[in-house]
Amino acid sequence: DIVLTQSPATLSVTPGDSVSLSCRASQSISNNLHWYQQKSHESPRLLIKYASQSISGIPSRFSGSGSGTDFTLSINSVETEDFGMYFCQQSNSWPWTFGGGTKLEIK
Amino acid sequence: DVKLVESGGGLVKPGGSLKLSCAASGFTFSSYTMSWVRQTPEKRLEWVATISSGGSYTYYPDSVKGRFTISRDNAKNTLYLQMSSLKSEDTAVYYCTRDPTGTGYFDVWGAGTTVTVSS
Repeated sequence: DIVLTQSPATLSVTPGDSVSLSCRASQSISNNLHWYQQKSHESPRLLIKYASQSISGIPSRFSGSGSGTDFTLSINSVETEDFGMYFCQQSNSWPWTFGGGTKLEIK
Repeated sequence: DVKLVESGGGLVKPGGSLKLSCAASGFTFSSYTMSWVRQTPEKRLEWVATISSGGSYTYYPDSVKGRFTISRDNAKNTLYLQMSSLKSEDTAVYYCTRDPTGTGYFDVWGAGTTVTVSS
């Protein structure tokens, strides 16, 4: 199975900061990597598909990059509504797997 | 409005069975691959099962293969997950999800239904 390792586990930031969240795959997954946001007591929400493709309705401050084994989710100027958990997920090979998540919290 | 509403969760003893349902609305259900994803009490997300739009093809991770069965009724716009031989490690919130292209990502999620396996 492909293991996705997210770092850091927790990121403490001030609103207005720009941040980068990392997701590393145990083997090459091309660009078959997707990002989700989960706020407290809510279901996950798709943010980015195929490493860098935007999703309708998602603010433009969210962007993704990477291919192969190293991927990054960037948030340009974090807003208070952005705090919560972020998960990456691969669909390169069965079984689909998720990373352990990064918690974005207010400093 | 695109919506997925899960039901059927509850408390079950180890070795027991449970059937989850997911009612879909706001889109052409029969055109989409559907999946179940669960979230453990430790907040880890795990893919559980996928079924093709017509129901002919199903996929499972080894952790549930042989114990869980995903199915669908396109006439009723409903997705199901039959779970048997349940273990404590199956305790989780189970989400019904839509895979818009059948290629393994999830663009719509339900609110989830909680399954607790405990004696």
